[in-house]
Amino acid sequence: EAGVAQSPRYKIIEKRQSVAFWCNPISGHATLYWYQQILGQGPKLLIQFQNNGVVDDSQLPKDRFSAERLKGVDSTLKIQPAKLEDSAVYLCASTLAGGGETQYFGPGTRLLVL
Amino acid sequence: AQSVTQLGSHVSVSEGALVLLRCNYSSSVPPYLFWYVQYPNQGLQLLLKYTTGATLVKGINGFEAEFKKSETSFHLTKPSAHMSDAAEYFCAVSDWTGGYNKLIFGAGTRLAVHP
Repeated sequence: EAGVAQSPRYKIIEKRQSVAFWCNPISGHATLYWYQQILGQGPKLLIQFQNNGVVDDSQLPKDRFSAERLKGVDSTLKIQPAKLEDSAVYLCASTLAGGGETQYFGPGTRLLVL
Repeated sequence: AQSVTQLGSHVSVSEGALVLLRCNYSSSVPPYLFWYVQYPNQGLQLLLKYTTGATLVKGINGFEAEFKKSETSFHLTKPSAHMSDAAEYFCAVSDWTGGYNKLIFGAGTRLAVHP
């Protein structure tokens, strides 16, 4: 069974530029999560989708971050414009139904904002 | 709100020695607890989890953890460290605020194993 796929793996941009990350969850998984992991910290949830609807985006900086999950499968996370403090690893995870079951993580996208 | 505290951002052990990584949690409801491991440039991989039932949970790669409600702890142990155990370890607790489950992670503990 294929795992969670993410691309790109690495991205370097200058501040005020825009960037987009893509995630393809495990087939059949209804719940998709985007986490931000700043160096030296644990992952922090940015947004959670149940199928193609948002169920939690309370920690998403909505003035610059946006995310969508069209058709309830793939998801895209965008930052526009980027700030230096957005430098982090962006992790995508998925679960079958969003209960207490295991979250499966992708390899992450490492973003460096200069 | 749920929270997780991992004592010790860095732990160093000798190969063959006991590994003990500490995790304390705060939760207003019976918790689901998880340990994940992260190798360099990789995503997180589940080591083990506690939901209900037996409080001693066995995971992959010889790791185990014990849920102690009275101490609000979920420490991770392995009797004998191997060089391949060098990685970052994250403890997490489920948060059901709003009716949907999400994970609250600790800051992580980086484990170094030396010969």
